[in-house]
Amino acid sequence: DAGVTQSPTHLIKTRGQQVTLRCSPISGHKSVSWYQQVLGQGPQFIFQYYEKEERGRGNFPDRFSARQFPNYSSELNVNALLLGDSALYLCASSLDGYGYTFGSGTRLTVV
Amino acid sequence: AQSVTQPDIHITVSEGASLELRCNYSYGATPYLFWYVQSPGQGLQLLLKYFSGDTLVQGIKGFEAEFKRSQSSFNLRKPSVHWSDAAEYFCAVGIYGGSQGNLIFGKGTKLSVKP
Repeated sequence: DAGVTQSPTHLIKTRGQQVTLRCSPISGHKSVSWYQQVLGQGPQFIFQYYEKEERGRGNFPDRFSARQFPNYSSELNVNALLLGDSALYLCASSLDGYGYTFGSGTRLTVV
Repeated sequence: AQSVTQPDIHITVSEGASLELRCNYSYGATPYLFWYVQSPGQGLQLLLKYFSGDTLVQGIKGFEAEFKRSQSSFNLRKPSVHWSDAAEYFCAVGIYGGSQGNLIFGKGTKLSVKP
């Protein structure tokens, strides 16, 4: 079985631009979460989606948004990019809402 | 507020030596605890988790962790470290309510292994 897949793996954007990151969960997993990992830090929770509804949101500005599709894949959107948004963005999926399997992440660089 | 503290930023051990990585958490209810490992440029791989029951938890790659409620700790151990264990290790506590859940991570401990 495929694990959690994320695309693209790397991305370079300019300040002020918008970016969309994609995540496909493990087959059968209905919960998808997004985390931001800044260099040298642990991951920080951004969003959780379950059955296409937002179930939780971390302390991130409204420039960050996400959605989950009927096939349980998910997109994370970030508008008006700042240099500080440069990070590894991790997607995780869960079957039962308790244990999470992470993807390899998307490395976003904002210049 | 919930939090996870990993006191050691960087640890170096010799190959074959034993390892203990420290983790302390702050959480009012019964914690769900995790250890993840991250190789450079990679995502997170789950080593082990504690939900309830036996406080000594066995994981993959020969790792184990012990939950001590009185000390609010969940330290990770391995009796003999291999060079391939060099990576960054993250402790996390799971916060759950209804159908919502997320993980709060510590800042990580980077493990270097000397030959």
